[in-house]
Amino acid sequence: AQSVTQPDIHITVSEGASLELRCNYSYGATPYLFWYVQSPGQGLQLLLKYFSGDTLVQGIKGFEAEFKRSQSSFNLRKPSVHWSDAAEYFCAVGARNAGNMLTFGGGTRLMVKP
Amino acid sequence: DGGITQSPKYLFRKEGQNVTLSCEQNLNHDAMYWYRQDPGQGLRLIYYSQIVNDFQKGDIAEGYSVSREKKESFPLTVTSAQKNPTAFYLCASRPGQGWADTQYFGPGTRLTVL
Repeated sequence: AQSVTQPDIHITVSEGASLELRCNYSYGATPYLFWYVQSPGQGLQLLLKYFSGDTLVQGIKGFEAEFKRSQSSFNLRKPSVHWSDAAEYFCAVGARNAGNMLTFGGGTRLMVKP
Repeated sequence: DGGITQSPKYLFRKEGQNVTLSCEQNLNHDAMYWYRQDPGQGLRLIYYSQIVNDFQKGDIAEGYSVSREKKESFPLTVTSAQKNPTAFYLCASRPGQGWADTQYFGPGTRLTVL
């Protein structure tokens, strides 16, 4: 069965600092990976996804993520964080079958200090 | 505007009552999903439907029921058999039945059982 681990429950960074959110997955084949962001009390918005090709994926809002097969990781990065980036971030792995079920990590809550 | 709507945004019910959460999409998407979100646990799949009049159980289907009589609608009923129904419920939809399609999320319904 597939699984996702986000080791950091909370992260606090200063505005303008760089950010890296960690995601480790377990999946028996080549994974289909996502990062979503959720503002308080809202639904999830897709930031980026990977399913093949270039292992460095660009997303919206200046985010990028790198797929590293050898480390089973898909870490999310941003070079300079803005106060509006404060939210909860979820990594997910998708099943490569018709059902396309997603398995989510527990989430990382990002706080941004002024 | 195309999108996914969930209603109501907040729902309060007494213990032992059944309650139905609405999910509607006008994106002409084939597949629809229901997730439950609890703090620190990410999202867990309750039910999903790939086509009209067909649906499958997810990881935590006990105490829930669904129907898919129309392509655009996928209501979720939380029954009195669900032992701990207080949670944030998210509906999602996906364009086709291929594994590479992305899931898009609605704004969520917060259910509180008193």
